[in-house]
Amino acid sequence: KQEVTQIPAALSVPEGENLVLNCSFTDSAIYNLQWFRQDPGKGLTSLLLIQSSQREQTSGRLNASLDKSSGRSTLYIAASQPGDSATYLCAVIGGSARQLTFGSGTQLTVLP
Amino acid sequence: EAGVAQSPRYKIIEKRQSVAFWCNPISGHATLYWYQQILGQGPKLLIQFQNNGVVDDSQLPKDRFSAERLKGVDSTLKIQPAKLEDSAVYLCASSLREGIGRSYNEQFFGPGTRLTVL
Repeated sequence: KQEVTQIPAALSVPEGENLVLNCSFTDSAIYNLQWFRQDPGKGLTSLLLIQSSQREQTSGRLNASLDKSSGRSTLYIAASQPGDSATYLCAVIGGSARQLTFGSGTQLTVLP
Repeated sequence: EAGVAQSPRYKIIEKRQSVAFWCNPISGHATLYWYQQILGQGPKLLIQFQNNGVVDDSQLPKDRFSAERLKGVDSTLKIQPAKLEDSAVYLCASSLREGIGRSYNEQFFGPGTRLTVL
């Protein structure tokens, strides 16, 4: 059974700092890995999707990497802003039905 | 393009009462998912529909939870009777179609329904 772990569970940083969120998964037989953002009281917004054949994806100040063999992914956020404050969820896509298995998330607070 | 719609947004009930949630997926999306997200945890898949058929309901507590998608569009999720541990956010998501081969069809999530069971 696939298990996804995210460390740290919570993180507080001053504005402008670069930061890294970590995600690990137990079964390397995945199709893709996806990073989501969740704001309080709202649904999930997809940030980046990395295909299993790729090693990284970039969107603006966000960069996500994938190392399938070691079961790890990182989300790098450059020059953090208070508007980046949210919970960040990592999910892997696998299985015959291509289902999402989520980690518990990292709650990020960027202090002005 | 309209996103995934869910209602109600919030619901408070007493234990042993019944409750129903409604989801309208993005137009043309064949696959619909219901997730349960307990506070401090990631979403957990409850049931997956492909059109009006069930693909996977292995994590649905069938003694109290039921879901249907009669016409392959809207879906309802029901809990009867509710327990305290059912307090969570219930998320609905849809995708264009179920993943085929090595492809993956991105899931789009609704705002969720926050259920509190007292």
